[in-house]
Amino acid sequence: AQSVSQHNHHVILSEAASLELGCNYSYGGTVNLFWYVQYPGQHLQLLLKYFSGDPLVKGIKGFEAEFIKSKFSFNLRKPSVQWSDTAEYFCAVNAGRTGTASKLTFGTGTRLQVTL
Amino acid sequence: DTEVTQTPKHLVMGMTNKKSLKCEQHMGHRAMYWYKQKAKKPPELMFVYSYEKLSINESVPSRFSPECPNSSLLNLHLHALQPEDSALYLCASSLTTGTSTDTQYFGPGTRLTVL
Repeated sequence: AQSVSQHNHHVILSEAASLELGCNYSYGGTVNLFWYVQYPGQHLQLLLKYFSGDPLVKGIKGFEAEFIKSKFSFNLRKPSVQWSDTAEYFCAVNAGRTGTASKLTFGTGTRLQVTL
Repeated sequence: DTEVTQTPKHLVMGMTNKKSLKCEQHMGHRAMYWYKQKAKKPPELMFVYSYEKLSINESVPSRFSPECPNSSLLNLHLHALQPEDSALYLCASSLTTGTSTDTQYFGPGTRLTVL
């Protein structure tokens, strides 16, 4: 069964600091990877996704993530965070095969707090 | 437009009540999902509907009863819930469930409190 680990449970950064949130998954086959963000009081929004091709994917709001197959990782980065980036960030994996139901497995989430 | 709507936003119910949560999407998606999210935890999958048929039930207690009247609507009927069922209930939809590249879009959720 697939699983997702997010080792940073709570990260506190000052505005303009650089961000890297870790995400590791366990699954030996082809995976499709997602980062979702949940701002306080708001719904889960898709930040970015990786299916194939260039392992460096760019998402909304200046976020990017790098898929490193050899490390089973899909870390999220942003060069300079803003106060408005304060939110919960979830990494998710979909390792279903074609023809099977789409089933996302979420990591435990990382709470990012950006201070002024 | 990637909008999934859910009603009501908040719901308080007693353990003997019967209530329903509603989810709607008009993106032409053929797969719809119910998730349960407890505070400071990730969403946990409950049910998946594919082409209006139940395709996944993650061993959810029978006091939760899903229904998919048509391709745009998804309901979750609640009966005899327990206080530990209090959570944020999220609905999501995706184009199809035929591939793992499917992307799920989430609604804002219904905050349920069971007294």
